[in-house]
Amino acid sequence: AQRVTQPEKLLSVFKGAPVELKCNYSYSGSPELFWYVQYSRQRLQLLLRHISRESIKGFTADLNKGETSFHLKKPFAQEEDSAMYYCALSGRRDGANNLFFGTGTRLTVIP
Amino acid sequence: NAGVTQTPKFRILKIGQSMTLQCTQDMNHNYMYWYRQDPGMGLKLIYYSVGAGITDKGEVPNGYNVSRSTTEDFPLRLELAAPSQTSVYFCASSYSRGGLGAGNEQFFGPGTRLTVL
Repeated sequence: AQRVTQPEKLLSVFKGAPVELKCNYSYSGSPELFWYVQYSRQRLQLLLRHISRESIKGFTADLNKGETSFHLKKPFAQEEDSAMYYCALSGRRDGANNLFFGTGTRLTVIP
Repeated sequence: NAGVTQTPKFRILKIGQSMTLQCTQDMNHNYMYWYRQDPGMGLKLIYYSVGAGITDKGEVPNGYNVSRSTTEDFPLRLELAAPSQTSVYFCASSYSRGGLGAGNEQFFGPGTRLTVL
């Protein structure tokens, strides 16, 4: 069965410090991994996906199949990065584009 | 484009009452989804639809029903509300089925906060 684990419910870092939000998954097939973000008073939105290998707002995430991880990283945190972050997995054998979400990590960047 | 819209924003129900949560998208997406999010938890899939007239159960479908008569609308029905259904409900839509590609992105509505007392 698929499972997404985000071990940290809360994470606080100082502005300018590096940040890493952890995500581990379990899935027997070839998963697609995503990071979604919800800023205050905004709706949930896609931040980045592993297949794109892109950097969005300075964030990157590398899929490590050996460690079954998809940690989100940013070298220098900004105050506007404060938000709720969700790691999500999509299994291709599932119907449609169903996503399985982790429980989320609330990131607070301290000025 | 308004994207994905949901009504109502908030609702309080008594045990045993019924209601319909509305969801509409104007992006001509073929796939639509309903999730619930309990406090401190991730989103869990209730039902999804791959197109008009086609729906299927997700992870937590019990106590809910859906229909998809048009591409745009995907209402979620609670027939006999129970306290366990107190949650925030999110509707989402996406363009493609899955697999590699930009169509995987799901677009979310603002949510409906439901309390059952």
